[in-house]
Amino acid sequence: DIQMTQSPSSLPASLGDRVTITCRASQDIGNYLRWFQQKPGKSPRLMIYGATNLANGVPSRFSGSRSGSDYSLTINSLESEDMAIYYCLQHNEYPRTFGGGTKLELK
Amino acid sequence: QVQLKESGPGLVQPSQTLSLTCTVAGFSLTSYNVHWVRQPPGKGLEWMGVIWNTGGTRYNSALKSRLSISKDTSKSQVFLKMNSLQTEDTATYYCARDLTHWGQGVMVTVSS
Repeated sequence: DIQMTQSPSSLPASLGDRVTITCRASQDIGNYLRWFQQKPGKSPRLMIYGATNLANGVPSRFSGSRSGSDYSLTINSLESEDMAIYYCLQHNEYPRTFGGGTKLELK
Repeated sequence: QVQLKESGPGLVQPSQTLSLTCTVAGFSLTSYNVHWVRQPPGKGLEWMGVIWNTGGTRYNSALKSRLSISKDTSKSQVFLKMNSLQTEDTATYYCARDLTHWGQGVMVTVSS
């Protein structure tokens, strides 16, 4: 199975900050990487697909990038509505596997 | 508009079988795959399995012996059945079209 190692697990940040969350894939997954945002009591919301593409309706302060087997989600100018848990997902192979999650919270 | 909604019992006794239904709207099950994902309270997401538009299935090997996914295309419904439930199976269960559009989830507690 492909392991997705996500870091950090917790990320205290201030409004207006620029933050980056990273997932490292244990095997090649190409660009078959998605990022999800999950707020308490809600289902995951697709934010980024194809490693770098913004999903419909997602603010432009969100972006995705790739460097080798490392995939990053960056949020520029953090807003209060961005406080949530973020997960990466690889969908290159079965079983699909998620990163462990990053809880983004106000410092 | 794509919609998915999970339904099923909120409480299941240990060793019993869980049966969940995912009712979809806005798309055809003959054209899209539907996945099941679960999330224990306060924990991360676990992919459980998928039923492809063709009707084929693929399961998480950790659950394979207990899990079955099927569908009724005419009723726009996907079914999950998992037997021999234990307390560790307590979770919110989600169905999702191609892991892009997700249902609201249904909380299942395994307890006597």
